Amino acid sequence: NAGVTQTPKFQVLKTGQSMTLQCAQDMNHEYMSWYRQDPGMGLRLIHYSVGAGITDQGEVPNGYNVSRSTTEDFPLRLLSAAPSQTSVYFCASSYSGQGGSPLHFGNGTRLTVT
Amino acid sequence: ELKVEQNPLFLSMQEGKNYTIYCNYSTTSDRLYWYRQDPGKSLESLFVLLSNGAVKQEGRLMASLDTKARLSTLHITAAVHDLSATYFCAVESYAGNMLTFGGGTRLMVKP
Repeated sequence: NAGVTQTPKFQVLKTGQSMTLQCAQDMNHEYMSWYRQDPGMGLRLIHYSVGAGITDQGEVPNGYNVSRSTTEDFPLRLLSAAPSQTSVYFCASSYSGQGGSPLHFGNGTRLTVT
Repeated sequence: ELKVEQNPLFLSMQEGKNYTIYCNYSTTSDRLYWYRQDPGKSLESLFVLLSNGAVKQEGRLMASLDTKARLSTLHITAAVHDLSATYFCAVESYAGNMLTFGGGTRLMVKP
């Protein structure tokens, strides 16, 4: 059982480049989300989805796009990378976004923007 | 806006000692989660607390929730080196679907 799979594990981008971080889960979870983790700031929610075709903004959505065409996949797109987007990105899923369903996290993508 | 504050941010303990990590939050919620993260790794779920007065225990860790005080505690009993990690609390928004994380408590247990 793979759980939540993120690719790539590491990425270096130049300012202004775009890229997509991939996230897939095989647990048939309805809820998926993207977080970024920066030192001393915990994790901050970027975007989330409560099911295929439904997405919504989190706390820090600027500079990022998401889509959810299938239950399994929830890619995160950086439109024009900036040094402030240097971070570790985690994708997470759960059975539901409400009522006590804990998140299952992927292994993270470490992104550096130069 | 929901804010979640953990303290201490860093905790160095001797093996065998007890200590408590505190998680305060700013708005109404009765759903709180604790996660553990080892260095360079992902996060794993430890506890889910869903009501006022909820208490959960696993091994040397015990978590509790006081929704009236907007406070959760993670108590460590007789710490061992294997508990060294960063611990995060996260509070679910009243409407659901959004988790706000605390800044984390980095725990180091020394032999």
